[in-house]
Amino acid sequence: AQSVTQPDIHITVSEGASLELRCNYSYGATPYLFWYVQSPGQGLQLLLKYFSGDTLVQGIKGFEAEFKRSQSSFNLRKPSVHWSDAAEYFCAVGSGSARQLTFGSGTQLTVLP
Amino acid sequence: SQTIHQWPATLVQPVGSPLSLECTVEGTSNPNLYWYRQAAGRGLQLLFYSVGIGQISSEVPQNLSASRPQDRQFILSSKKLLLSDSGFYLCAWSVGSGRGNTIYFGEGSWLTVV
Repeated sequence: AQSVTQPDIHITVSEGASLELRCNYSYGATPYLFWYVQSPGQGLQLLLKYFSGDTLVQGIKGFEAEFKRSQSSFNLRKPSVHWSDAAEYFCAVGSGSARQLTFGSGTQLTVLP
Repeated sequence: SQTIHQWPATLVQPVGSPLSLECTVEGTSNPNLYWYRQAAGRGLQLLFYSVGIGQISSEVPQNLSASRPQDRQFILSSKKLLLSDSGFYLCAWSVGSGRGNTIYFGEGSWLTVV
């Protein structure tokens, strides 16, 4: 069965600093990977997704993620964090025939002024 | 463009009362529809998904049920709410049959059972 691990429950960074959120997955085949962001009391918004091809994926709001098969990782990065990036971030892997996503438990990002 | 509407946005219900959350998708046909729950401080848990009218798959045994009376309508129900049903409920949709399909979420419904 597939699974997603986000080892950091909570990360705090200063505005303008770089950011990396970790995501490790377990999946028997080629994974389809996603990052979503959730602002408080809101639904989830898709940041980016990896299906195949270039392992460095660009997303919205200046985010990027790199797929590393050897490490089973799909870490999310941003070179300079803005206060509006404070939110919860979820990594997910596309499951099999059920057309589902399996989500990690999320990483809460706090941005200090 | 496609949009998803979910309501009510917030509700407070007493224990033992019924529940009905409704979700509709516009701008697409034959979507896959989903209900997720997000309990406080926890990740997302898939409750139900549907690939067509009247076709419902349940992921977690519980006192909730789902129905899909129309192609783009998905309803989450309960006959008697429990305290443990409190949480943030998210409706979502996708199209296609591949596992790489992007899932798009509604704005969610806050349920507090008192």
